[in-house]
Amino acid sequence: AQSVAQPEDQVNVAEGNPLTVKCTYSVSGNPYLFWYVQYPNRGLQFLLKYITGDNLVKGSYGFEAEFNKSQTSFHLKKPSALVSDSALYFCAVRDMGRGNTPLVFGKGTRLSVIA
Amino acid sequence: KAGVTQTPRYLIKTRGQQVTLSCSPISGHRSVSWYQQTPGQGLQFLFEYFSETQRNKGNFPGRFSGRQFSNSRSEMNVSTLELGDSALYLCASSLGASSNEQFFGPGTRLTVL
Repeated sequence: AQSVAQPEDQVNVAEGNPLTVKCTYSVSGNPYLFWYVQYPNRGLQFLLKYITGDNLVKGSYGFEAEFNKSQTSFHLKKPSALVSDSALYFCAVRDMGRGNTPLVFGKGTRLSVIA
Repeated sequence: KAGVTQTPRYLIKTRGQQVTLSCSPISGHRSVSWYQQTPGQGLQFLFEYFSETQRNKGNFPGRFSGRQFSNSRSEMNVSTLELGDSALYLCASSLGASSNEQFFGPGTRLTVL
């Protein structure tokens, strides 16, 4: 079965510094990969996705992610962090090698941007 | 366009009771998925429906059930509630293709006493 791992429960970064939130996945076929963000007391909001094509994907709020097939990773990045980026971030994968499969989420990484 | 709505937003029940949660997807979306979110386990997949058919089911006991109506609205039911069922239940809708992103509702916070 497909799975996704977010190895860091918490990431702290100073405002203005670059940020990276890590995600690795395991699938039997090709992956569809997604990043979502959750602000306090809110549902999840879609940030970006990789389906096919260019390995570098750009999304909302200045975020981007790089698909690396050899390392089975899809790390989320932003060149300059803002305090307002502080939130819970989820990586998700859908395994396209097994027909209709559900979207499976990681356990989330809490990002704290310090002024 | 209105977003995904979930009712009720908050619910308090006691062990052994049952509960029904409702989700109205974005207009035109035919797929609805349900997730359970807890601090320790993150988001765990419950069900996915497309055009009234259950397309996928997560690894939850039979006490958890769901359905989708012809207008794409969905309900999930939990019978014989247990303390461990306390969680935020999130509903998400999408157009239906596997490549489509999901749009989430604000969730229903269920507390079981």
